[in-house]
Amino acid sequence: QLQLQESGPGLVKPSETLSLTCTVSGGSISSSSYYWGWIRQPPGKGLEWIGSIFYSGSAYYNPSLKSRVTISVDTSKNQFSLKLSSVTAADTAVYYCARQVLGTAAFGPWGQGILVTVSP
Amino acid sequence: QSVLTQPPSASGTPGQRVTISCSGSSSNIGSNYVYWYQHLPGTAPKLLIHRSNQRPSGVPDRFSGSKSGTSASLAISGLRSEDEADYYCATWDDSLSGPVFGGGTKLTVL
Repeated sequence: QLQLQESGPGLVKPSETLSLTCTVSGGSISSSSYYWGWIRQPPGKGLEWIGSIFYSGSAYYNPSLKSRVTISVDTSKNQFSLKLSSVTAADTAVYYCARQVLGTAAFGPWGQGILVTVSP
Repeated sequence: QSVLTQPPSASGTPGQRVTISCSGSSSNIGSNYVYWYQHLPGTAPKLLIHRSNQRPSGVPDRFSGSKSGTSASLAISGLRSEDEADYYCATWDDSLSGPVFGGGTKLTVL
């Protein structure tokens, strides 16, 4: 059974870079049918797609975040990672990683999510 | 401001049927499948409906989805207390070249 797990710091200072990793278990990240995505949910708000990556390293991002986001993949570790630079309090959110069917809004399974707070 | 528009709240009593709407445009709902997610606080979102009206295995047939033009709906019949959750619609947007979500609807079972 495929499982995803987010990891990383729960507290990041303003203007610094948020870094998270998603570890995939129970299956290979090197699938030709799926992308691997990051989605976030700020407190009291809805879900926002951040970006997704293919096992080859091809990535695409939400235009509203594109200038600050980098998503990378490490197939040897079955992991993919998120970096969000120049964070502000508005980036405080629960961050989820999930498998995404190519070219759709079908996400699943999801990780449990990790709360990242941006605060001095 | 979400690309897809959902009512912020909905409610019903046990056993009742409720519907949640999702409105978009020709570049998203009008030309792509719609997906619905159920999100309980503190848990990962769960895919409830895929390809606009298909239920993944394990999802009760009380949940159904439909799409017409640039709008979609999620219907829940035989409402139960455990259905109290946030529900999100999502679809691909051809203009943005990426997936977009609705703002979410909080369902309360009275």
